[in-house]
Amino acid sequence: EAGVTQSPTHLIKTRGQQVTLRCSPISGHTSVYWYQQALGLGLQFLLWYDEGEERNRGNFPPRFSGRQFPNYSSELNVNALELEDSALYLCASSLFGGKGGNTIYFGEGSWLTVV
Amino acid sequence: DQQVKQNSPSLSVQEGRISILNCDYTNSMFDYFLWYKKYPAEGPTFLISISSIKDKNEDGRFTVFLNKSAKHLSLHIVPSQPGDSAVYFCAASAYGAQKLVFGQGTRLTINP
Repeated sequence: EAGVTQSPTHLIKTRGQQVTLRCSPISGHTSVYWYQQALGLGLQFLLWYDEGEERNRGNFPPRFSGRQFPNYSSELNVNALELEDSALYLCASSLFGGKGGNTIYFGEGSWLTVV
Repeated sequence: DQQVKQNSPSLSVQEGRISILNCDYTNSMFDYFLWYKKYPAEGPTFLISISSIKDKNEDGRFTVFLNKSAKHLSLHIVPSQPGDSAVYFCAASAYGAQKLVFGQGTRLTINP
């Protein structure tokens, strides 16, 4: 069974540009999550989507946004890129939506470098 | 406000011995706890989890212990193997919140 897949794996952008990262969840999973891991820092929660709707949001500015499609895949968009946006962006998925006992499974991540 | 803390940034253990990784939390609403293993430049891999209704969960070489009164959990790896060398994150969630809160990670090195 395929795991969570993300694309692209690596990309370099210039400050001020916009970027879109893509994620396909594990088959049958309806919830998709986005996390950011900046260099030397832990995993910071960005966004949670379930059944096409944004359910929860971390402490990030509005220029971080996303969406979930009817097939449960998801996009993360970052506008007006800043140097500190350079990080590993991780997508994860899970079966449950809004219930306890939630195990989420991560993809390999997308490395974003902003120059 | 660091709700999940891993106070040891690194741990070195000899191959074949027991590795014990610790994690403390402050939010009494957390009811589900997980451990993830992460190699550099890869996504975290789920290892083991425990619900707050239990105090122990085993899966092969991995055992997680939960002490709710102390708000403390630990991951035991026995016996430790060189492939266990990685960064280990503990994470916690509260019912309905869905968001996992991660600790800062502990880098485990297994020495031959």
